[in-house]
Amino acid sequence: DAGVIQSPRHEVTEMGQEVTLRCKPISGHDYLFWYRQTMMRGLELLIYFNNNVPIDDSGMPEDRFSAKMPNASFSTLKIQPSEPRDSAVYFCASSLDTRGKLFFGSGTQLSVL
Amino acid sequence: AQTVTQSQPEMSVQEAETVTLSCTYDTSENNYYLFWYKQPPSRQMILVIRQEAYKQQNATENRFSVNFQKAAKSFSLKISDSQLGDTAMYFCAFMAPWNTGNQFYFGTGTSLTVIP
Repeated sequence: DAGVIQSPRHEVTEMGQEVTLRCKPISGHDYLFWYRQTMMRGLELLIYFNNNVPIDDSGMPEDRFSAKMPNASFSTLKIQPSEPRDSAVYFCASSLDTRGKLFFGSGTQLSVL
Repeated sequence: AQTVTQSQPEMSVQEAETVTLSCTYDTSENNYYLFWYKQPPSRQMILVIRQEAYKQQNATENRFSVNFQKAAKSFSLKISDSQLGDTAMYFCAFMAPWNTGNQFYFGTGTSLTVIP
């Protein structure tokens, strides 16, 4: 298996623009997570899905953030409009079940100017 | 609430030596999982080792082993025969699926440098 695949690897955009991050989880994994990593706050869980259904989105910072999982093999995290404080590394991760073993993608480095 | 604390922001070790990274956590759960993840400069988060709380035996993976003290809520990572490729950020993580719905809680990380 190719692992969790994220795109793009780097994204540079201007304040106010829409940003869409993409993720393909490992085939067969029922859980998908979106994390944000910054120096100040470390790793923060934004939202996670179970069988394509959002279970907990309490970590989504505000209405500018939205996430979807239209099918078992694809998820998006959208920021609209983007702000400089959204600059961070965004990770997607998936797991097979509730016994742990989280598999991470290589992350998207987002820079909002 | 579950919390994970890593009190060593930075550590260094000579190549081939042994180093121990500390982690403590706070929970009222009895059944849970603990993890150590490694994040090298490439940014990829890699699972190093996993411990199930109901197992008394400490987990080991080649040069990596843990010292799990459930009563003390302590979960340290020992790296033996340190190699240059072990240079990375190391994150301790906690997960209690029966209560927190598969949410992982991460510590703030320890930056480990292996010195040649």
